[in-house]
Parts: sequence; C-alpha cells; structure tokens
Amino acid sequence: QVQLVQSGAEVKNPGSSVRVSCKASGGTFNSYTINWLRRAPGQGLEWMGRIIPLLGITNYAQSLQGRVTISADRSTSTAYMELSSLRSEDTAVYFCAGQSTVVTPFEHWGQGTLVTVSS
Amino acid sequence: QSALTQPASVSGSPGQSIAISCTGTSSDVGRFNLVSWYQQHPGRAPKLLIYEDTKRPSGISDRFSASKSGNTASLTISGLQAEDEADYFCCTFAGTNNVIFGGGTQLTVL
Repeated sequence: QVQLVQSGAEVKNPGSSVRVSCKASGGTFNSYTINWLRRAPGQGLEWMGRIIPLLGITNYAQSLQGRVTISADRSTSTAYMELSSLRSEDTAVYFCAGQSTVVTPFEHWGQGTLVTVSS
Repeated sequence: QSALTQPASVSGSPGQSIAISCTGTSSDVGRFNLVSWYQQHPGRAPKLLIYEDTKRPSGISDRFSASKSGNTASLTISGLQAEDEADYFCCTFAGTNNVIFGGGTQLTVL
C-alpha cells in the first residue's frame, strides 16, 4: 500500500517562497504520478499540477503557471512543490496525491501541510 | 476553466438517502468518463469514493453510488449514517493541464 508523508507546517511572509515535500513508500515511485492540490479556508479543492517522476514531465494549472514548480528526487522517492511570490490568498492546506496515470483518480493522499502566509 | 457546480450544502436524517449533483460542460464532465468523487472529513485528507463516473474502489461501502447524464454527475448516499457527515467534492480530468473540482458540498446528518 502506497503511503505519502508530507513535511510539516510552514509560516511564511508575503513575497517569499515555500517548499513542501512528499515522500512515498510502499510502492514504485517511478511508476506513479504525483499531484499537488490545495484547499484554502472556506474554499474547495484546487489542482495545482503534477509530475511523472520516471519521465520528468510536469504539468501545471494555468492559474499558477510561473509561480509553482514541482520536482522529484527518484533516489529518495520524494516529490517537492515550491510556490513563490506568496500572498495571503495562498494560505491553505497543501496535499500531495498519487495516481497511476494522469487520467486515473487520486488514489493515495498525503496527510496535508498547512502553509500560512502572514506578515 | 470554471469550477464544477455543486450545491453548497445538503442534509438528511439517518437512514435516508441524499444526492449531490455536479454540473460541468460538454468540454469536461460531458466529454470524458472520468468524474471522481471524494469525501473529506475536517482535518483529514480527501478519500476516493467513486472513479470513472460510476465505479467504486474496493473497500468503499455500496451505500455510495454515482451516475452521470450529459454534463451532470450525481453522487447518492443511501442509508445515511452520522459518519457520512463531511465535505464531498466532484472532480474531472479536462485536459493535460486541467483537472477541475467542484466547489464542494457540506453534508449534514441531522
């Protein structure tokens, strides 16, 4: 059974960047697609982007293009999401979620990481 | 692309059935057989309930069922239980750079 474990909560100043990690275990990282999603307070889920670690291919939501970077370290089975130019609206719980292919559902989820953007 | 449209809230009594709708367009919900539904309890990660419009993963109760007609998908929960009180989200693949969620529906079990 695949398990995804995320890094801990972060508090950031507006204009700075944050990087959240997601370590996979119990499965084959290379055959997986890792997505990043977020849920802001009182809002719904928002898909941010994905990476296919085996191919190094990334896709990003148009709304976040230019501010989000997703990467992966195959040697440690860890995916990363970096969000730059943070603003208060980026305060949210960030989740990584795994899927077998880009059209299959999000089968496995990390526990979530709270990122608070505040001065 | 706009979010899929869900009712903000629904409620029902224990033992009753409720349905949650999810309306998109012919470019997303109506185009692909890839609607999925997720349940999220407060402070927890979302959990997959339904995929490919109507399919249930192993381990998901058959009290959860789903259907789709045209651009509208629906999730039905029968035999409501207190533990079903949660937020529910629909989602669809809509292109390589486009995965769309509904705004979420808060289910209250009276």
